[in-house]
Amino acid sequence: GAVVSQHPSWVICKSGTSVKIECRSLDFQATTMFWYRQFPKQSLMLMATSNEGSKATYEQGVEKDKFLINHASLTLSTLTVTSAHPEDSSFYICSARAGTSGQETQYFGPGTRLLVL
Amino acid sequence: TQLLEQSPQFLSIQEGENLTVYCNSSSVFSSLQWYRQEPGEGPVLLVTVVTGGEVKKLKRLTFQFGDARKDSSLHITAAQPGDTGLYLCAAAGGYQKVTFGTGTKLQVIP
Repeated sequence: GAVVSQHPSWVICKSGTSVKIECRSLDFQATTMFWYRQFPKQSLMLMATSNEGSKATYEQGVEKDKFLINHASLTLSTLTVTSAHPEDSSFYICSARAGTSGQETQYFGPGTRLLVL
Repeated sequence: TQLLEQSPQFLSIQEGENLTVYCNSSSVFSSLQWYRQEPGEGPVLLVTVVTGGEVKKLKRLTFQFGDARKDSSLHITAAQPGDTGLYLCAAAGGYQKVTFGTGTKLQVIP
């Protein structure tokens, strides 16, 4: 089956620093990837849709200058949390869409836990 | 924005008991998915239901899609500790974005 990886799996950083999270589709190409964040004991909230070769589409309330998304290739999307603060601490999950039109499935990465001190 | 409400939010049961989780919305969906997520991991797809009234079985798990395609249920028979996790229903919206339900956290006690 399709595999999506994320790196790093967890990261601890100081307040004010920037953190980059990578999302890779390992055995398929994905023109579209999605980024979610999840707070403890809560569901996943979609942050943005990452499109290869074009700008990401952000959900309402998500700051695009705060969460920079780059989808430079068909197998890699990156999320950079700029000037991270403790309230950005969360579990970030990406997904990649695979399959033909009408038969598509989203495959999720294992997530990246971010702790901002 | 479509809203998927799940009930119950939390469920703690003894091993061997049966349970049902509900996913409700006022919107009509072309399909609906169920995921299971374990702590510290991404969600894993369990099933996709497409047709109104459809019933799908996955071992001890039975999934049903409502006739009007607005709601779904997940029934687990003889729950095992390995069933413990967060169960999420989800539906695809515009541009194939997946919107997740509010989640049901299940704990099965040995």
